[in-house]
Amino acid sequence: AQSVAQPEDQVNVAEGNPLTVKCTYSVSGNPYLFWYVQYPNRGLQFLLKYITGDNLVKGSYGFEAEFNKSQTSFHLKKPSALVSDSALYFCAVRLSNDYKLSFGAGTTVTVRA
Amino acid sequence: KAGVTQTPRYLIKTRGQQVTLSCSPISGHRSVSWYQQTPGQGLQFLFEYFSETQRNKGNFPGRFSGRQFSNSRSEMNVSTLELGDSALYLCASSFGQGNTYEQYFGPGTRLTVT
Repeated sequence: AQSVAQPEDQVNVAEGNPLTVKCTYSVSGNPYLFWYVQYPNRGLQFLLKYITGDNLVKGSYGFEAEFNKSQTSFHLKKPSALVSDSALYFCAVRLSNDYKLSFGAGTTVTVRA
Repeated sequence: KAGVTQTPRYLIKTRGQQVTLSCSPISGHRSVSWYQQTPGQGLQFLFEYFSETQRNKGNFPGRFSGRQFSNSRSEMNVSTLELGDSALYLCASSFGQGNTYEQYFGPGTRLTVT
């Protein structure tokens, strides 16, 4: 079985400040981890993924995430948030031997000007 | 390249009816997945197809079914609609046979069951 937890329903930051969106996972094998963002009335947009290799993954729009196997975490980060980063963020996990993608509940990010 | 397209974008149906939703993947993508998104349950996996074969299925009743055509286009069908089927249905496509590829999502079909 696999599951993803996003412990914060909402994250509020000021523009220009660092942004962190937390994600922890629980799997019984090797995880493939993904981050997606959803803007109102839109589908999900892919940001980045961890499959193997370097634990620090860089993605679209200045986002990055760090895979931490010992803490089973895959937190999303951005050094300097923009108002346009305000959206709903989803962490997702897939097992290496499966095709099913399991999503967390989502974290709403609000960046204030 | 054009993105994933889903038709129709909005749909209103009556309880007991059936509905068919359509998804056209990105050109060259052969894997198509379907998800249901609701405020209460979040994003839930319905099923995934590759080369017309269903490779995985989520925990949904048999009223939910799907298929994929030889051109990779996919449809999902919900029979005997219930009020709880009201949701945003998202289709996603990815390139290749393996599961390391990221999925690209369409804008979704908003289904309202009255």
